[in-house]
Amino acid sequence: DAKTTQPNSMESNEEEPVHLPCNHSTISGTDYIHWYRQLPSQGPEYVIHGLTSNVNNRMASLAIAEDRKSSTLILHRATLRDAAVYYCILRSSIQGAQKLVFGQGTRLTINP
Amino acid sequence: EAGVAQSPRYKIIEKRQSVAFWCNPISGHATLYWYQQILGQGPKLLIQFQNNGVVDDSQLPKDRFSAERLKGVDSTLKIQPAKLEDSAVYLCASRPDRGRTGELFFGEGSRLTVL
Repeated sequence: DAKTTQPNSMESNEEEPVHLPCNHSTISGTDYIHWYRQLPSQGPEYVIHGLTSNVNNRMASLAIAEDRKSSTLILHRATLRDAAVYYCILRSSIQGAQKLVFGQGTRLTINP
Repeated sequence: EAGVAQSPRYKIIEKRQSVAFWCNPISGHATLYWYQQILGQGPKLLIQFQNNGVVDDSQLPKDRFSAERLKGVDSTLKIQPAKLEDSAVYLCASRPDRGRTGELFFGEGSRLTVL
């Protein structure tokens, strides 16, 4: 499975933008980049995903490098509720079924 | 839309005892996953079902763990006998086959403590 590398932790202030980096130098041409986050005592929740182009949704933006070897999840205006562990995952498709392999993730702390 | 339901939320057992966890995925979701999450680590995939067939169980410790998904709907994960290192949160997730490609919906998990 292709691997991702993320910082163990990051800290930001409320109402400021947050840029969460992810390196995936061994990504293959058909791997999608997914981001999930996990709030305390909850299961992970989907944030966003992309293949080559930058993506935006109501939760966040995903900026993908031109060579696809790195990406950045952008929270435009962090709130205290965004404090969570953020996982960057490459989705591999094996025999037509989708598989998500989680790494350690980045623990994001938001200061009031 | 009702989410993925899991039970029990918490379970405490002694080593060598057995335990079973139940998952009811979102209605119509054909793919179901069981993940194990040890404290401080990311979730680790144990088994993946497509309808009632196993797609991937390469990470499932088959000497003590078993899982089934009868009729392609709800699923149970069993551990027998439990070891101390099985203490973890067991997460169930499901995925629709069409639309919102790749998005998994997770339950809140079942927290197991083995003493």
